[in-house]
Amino acid sequence: DGGITQSPKYLFRKEGQNVTLSCEQNLNHDAMYWYRQDPGQGLRLIYYSQIVNDFQKGDIAEGYSVSREKKESFPLTVTSAQKNPTAFYLCASSAIQAPGTDTQYFGPGTRLTVL
Amino acid sequence: AQKVTQAQTEISVVEKEDVTLDCVYETRDTTYYLFWYKQPPSGELVFLIRRNSFDEQNEISGRYSWNFQKSTSSFNFTITASQVVDSAVYFCALSPSGTYKYIFGTGTRLKVLA
Repeated sequence: DGGITQSPKYLFRKEGQNVTLSCEQNLNHDAMYWYRQDPGQGLRLIYYSQIVNDFQKGDIAEGYSVSREKKESFPLTVTSAQKNPTAFYLCASSAIQAPGTDTQYFGPGTRLTVL
Repeated sequence: AQKVTQAQTEISVVEKEDVTLDCVYETRDTTYYLFWYKQPPSGELVFLIRRNSFDEQNEISGRYSWNFQKSTSSFNFTITASQVVDSAVYFCALSPSGTYKYIFGTGTRLKVLA
């Protein structure tokens, strides 16, 4: 079955540690996205990538880093510079058609808690 | 400014009632896309519908229907004969043409009571 997988489902981190969240898709989509969701708020874009080896900052990129070495993979690293990383992280992908026309499909999410 | 407002933070209904979730958007673009997503307790966002700004035709899919009105910048979502499985957070999103970014509303939590 085609879809988006995220791992782990739950992640606990000590302050000062970097952690990496995994996102894999087998939909053959060109574009991939990372969002952060906090309670009572909508989704906020962290990073997105339209093509391998290229990515752009979203609205809240500070304290995060990404890589896009393969089309199907878009890992997100939450660094120690992110002051408040406890949140629900969602990965999405879409087939590039024209900007604004593609539909984003989401993975199941990773809940990160900083202890 | 581009913005999506979902003024209803939480709605509770009794099973079999009809319920409408409101979505009001702001954009100066003439071409844009609007979306509705459902987020059940499991957390994954499930795509429900996409509508472009040139298509104001209402859409019905089973118990779901959507009313798009450009004159009031609204894209409301109605669930007819609600069921407990409809309990979720529903998000409305705007995607201006020319960008890959979605602008999400803050979501409406729907609770359907048996």
